[in-house]
Amino acid sequence: GNSVTQMEGPVTLSEEAFLTINCTYTATGYPSLFWYVQYPGEGLQLLLKATKADDKGSNKGFEATYRKETTSFHLEKGSVQVSDSAVYFCALYGSGAGSYQLTFGKGTKLSVIP
Amino acid sequence: EAQVTQNPRYLITVTGKKLTVTCSQNMNHEYMSWYRQDPGLGLRQIYYSMNVEVTDKGDVPEGYKVSRKEKRNFPLILESPSPNQTSLYFCASSGQGTWGYTFGSGTRLTVV
Repeated sequence: GNSVTQMEGPVTLSEEAFLTINCTYTATGYPSLFWYVQYPGEGLQLLLKATKADDKGSNKGFEATYRKETTSFHLEKGSVQVSDSAVYFCALYGSGAGSYQLTFGKGTKLSVIP
Repeated sequence: EAQVTQNPRYLITVTGKKLTVTCSQNMNHEYMSWYRQDPGLGLRQIYYSMNVEVTDKGDVPEGYKVSRKEKRNFPLILESPSPNQTSLYFCASSGQGTWGYTFGSGTRLTVV
């Protein structure tokens, strides 16, 4: 079945540091890939998405490129801010069996300190 | 405003007392789903529905029931809650032509 593996947290960075959160996936067919963000006490918000190989999703300074050859979708940001402190989830929206299921990684908690 | 609305936001109940968490969406989405979020386990799907009267089990359906009598509503029912169902629950919806899901704000359930 489909699965998503993302780097374990927590991750603590200083403001303006470079961020990478690794995400790899296993899926049949051609899934769509997402990053969701959960701010403290809130639900999940879609951060960015990519629907086919080599697509780059971007939003609020975050980027991730759909790499089919390495089955990866790493999240990056060049300069993090305190307001980026949140839990980040990589997710896969599958094709084939279970195609309406959104499969999540376990989440990576990011803390940005001034 | 397009949204998924869950109620209640917080609930404390006792073991064995039946409860229902409601979920409603105003986007005419076909697909709806329930997830639970637990520390170290991420989000796991409980049940999902592809349309009215069409529901199926997700990864962790034991102890839960759902129904989809109307397109906009997808309630989660715990017939006999147990402490291991203490969790943060999210409802989500998605429609044809959209990507990914829109999530509700969550329901924090504590079963004592």
